[in-house]
Amino acid sequence: EPEVTQTPSHQVTQMGQEVILRCVPISNHLYFYWYRQILGQKVEFLVSFYNNEISEKSEIFDDQFSVERPDGSNFTLKIRSTKLEDSAMYFCASSEGNLSNQPQHFGDGTRLSIL
Amino acid sequence: GENVEQHPSTLSVQEGDSAVIKCTYSDSASNYFPWYKQELGKRPQLIIDIRSNVGEKKDQRIAVTLNKTAKHFSLHITETQPEDSAVYFCAARNNAGNMLTFGGGTRLMVKP
Repeated sequence: EPEVTQTPSHQVTQMGQEVILRCVPISNHLYFYWYRQILGQKVEFLVSFYNNEISEKSEIFDDQFSVERPDGSNFTLKIRSTKLEDSAMYFCASSEGNLSNQPQHFGDGTRLSIL
Repeated sequence: GENVEQHPSTLSVQEGDSAVIKCTYSDSASNYFPWYKQELGKRPQLIIDIRSNVGEKKDQRIAVTLNKTAKHFSLHITETQPEDSAVYFCAARNNAGNMLTFGGGTRLMVKP
């Protein structure tokens, strides 16, 4: 069964540094998402992406965040200047479409630790 | 925006017993409700979902019920097994957007 893959599995970064988290969505999927989960808290939506542009974003997704689909397979989340509170598990997800019979499938996540 | 509350936060049952996890949502426009199972260190995996045009859906030992009037939905696991032990998340989504709003999760422990 095809899966969403994410790299790296764990990223340790100094505060103030830029970090790029990478995702390869399922190949025939058209919608891509990033979520995050701070330890012990809810999974929170960050952004959705379709047709090479952001289709929806949450309040968390401020100017420090950006997403990109640099080629036909990768989908990246960049945090420009990391803060301690950015430490979390970041999940990428993808779906065939945005209809209710086209569910979102998640990757294994990247654990981001900001020192 | 949407707010999803999930109860209980932890649930311990004996193997073979049933487990019920409940969620409430606030946005009456929500029309899609998936449930995800997350084992330790692994990805959230979709186990069942329900759309607002049905009241109940069943898949082997797992069932989900939806009460649109009361704005709550529940996950029912029958004949629980130790491998059902995990964190379960409910979520809600409406037609206006793509984002899933998650509940806080329930840690289910099935004791052999």
